Formats: sequence, structure tokens, C-alpha cells
Amino acid sequence: KNQVEQSPQSLIILEGKNCTLQCNYTVSPFSNLRWYKQDTGRGPVSLTIMTFSENTKSNGRYTATLDADTKQSSLHITASQLSDSASYICVVNRRGSNYQLIWGAGTKLIIKP
Amino acid sequence: NAGVTQTPKFQVLKTGQSMTLQCAQDMNHNSMYWYRQDPGMGLRLIYYSASEGTTDKGEVPNGYNVSRLNKREFSLRLESAAPSQTSVYFCASSEGGNAPYNEQFFGPGTRLTVL
Repeated sequence: KNQVEQSPQSLIILEGKNCTLQCNYTVSPFSNLRWYKQDTGRGPVSLTIMTFSENTKSNGRYTATLDADTKQSSLHITASQLSDSASYICVVNRRGSNYQLIWGAGTKLIIKP
Repeated sequence: NAGVTQTPKFQVLKTGQSMTLQCAQDMNHNSMYWYRQDPGMGLRLIYYSASEGTTDKGEVPNGYNVSRLNKREFSLRLESAAPSQTSVYFCASSEGGNAPYNEQFFGPGTRLTVL
């Protein structure tokens, strides 16, 4: 069954600290994986996309990794800020199915001052 | 550019009432989507429209109907609301077709409560 699982479900860290969010998937055949950020009361916004051939990609303080062999991805946030408080959702696209994505349940991240 | 807009932002219905959620995009996208988001679950696709004039069922279409009114607008209708349809509804759009990676852009959501 095509599934995306994220861990942890929630995480609380102090402002300025780093954290890493995990995403494991069983989606096949794989096309790409995207990380979305969803602020409370808002729609998701794309942070980055990882394709099969990419191992690491950075977007400011966000760095995503992909290991297509083990079907794992991570999102590392460096020097966290209060504005990083949000849910982070991992989404996998199956090859040949551009319209129906497989969504994870998200990790709720809270940054405390 | 407003992006993707949705109306209303909030709605309370009684069981059996009907309503239509409206969605519009100004990015000239071909594809549009309706999702629902429930606590502890990933977004679930209700219906999508790959291009103007077409609509297809997603993962959870029962109890819903959609209309792709034109390229800009995609509405979601609940004919007879049930408490199980209490959720946050998101509309999204994307370039569609052969666009690489086909990023979806989301509206702000409609928070629906069915009593």
C-alpha cells in the first residue's frame, strides 16, 4: 500500500536550536517528494522538492535529504526561529500519477522563545 | 496576484443542509483540486479537475459533487451535509499537463462544521 509516515508527530524546541523531521514512504514507483510548510489556519506552501537523483537540497535554513534506496527523507531546520512554528508535511508523487499525491499526516513543530 | 481564493472562510451547517464552496485561481493553471484535512490525517483528495471540462474522483468523493465552471473556478457542493463532513476544506491549483513536478498552490481553506 502506498503510504507516507512522518515522525515525530509533534516536537517542541527552543528558539535558535536545530531539529530534524523524518519521512518514510512506501510509494512506488517513485517520482518526487515534496516538503510543505503549513502555518496554523493557512494552506500548505511548498518548501522544496526532491527528485530521484537528488540527495540534498537547501532552501535557506531548511535542508532536505532523500535516500531513495531506503525510501527515507528528512527536513533539517537550522537556527530555528519563532516563525518556523508550523506543521511540516511530506508528500510523495507516484510516477505516472501527477494528480493524486500521497500525503503524510505532518509533524507539528513548536518553537519556544 | 491573489493566487487561490476560497469562500466562505467559515461555515456552520445543520445535518441535511446543502452548500457550495467556491474556489478561484488567477495563475492561469490548468488543474484544480479539492482536499479535506482532518486532525491527525494527511490531506485527502476529494475531486480534481486535470483541465477545464474534466473532473475526476479522488480518494474520498462520496457525499460531494464538483463543477469546473471555467478555467479559473472550481466549486465543491455538499448536497446533504453530514457530521462526518466536518473538516477543513482546501482548494488547490497547479499547472497540470506535462509541467515538471506540478507544484500545487493552496487557498486559505474553509472551516466547515456540520451539527
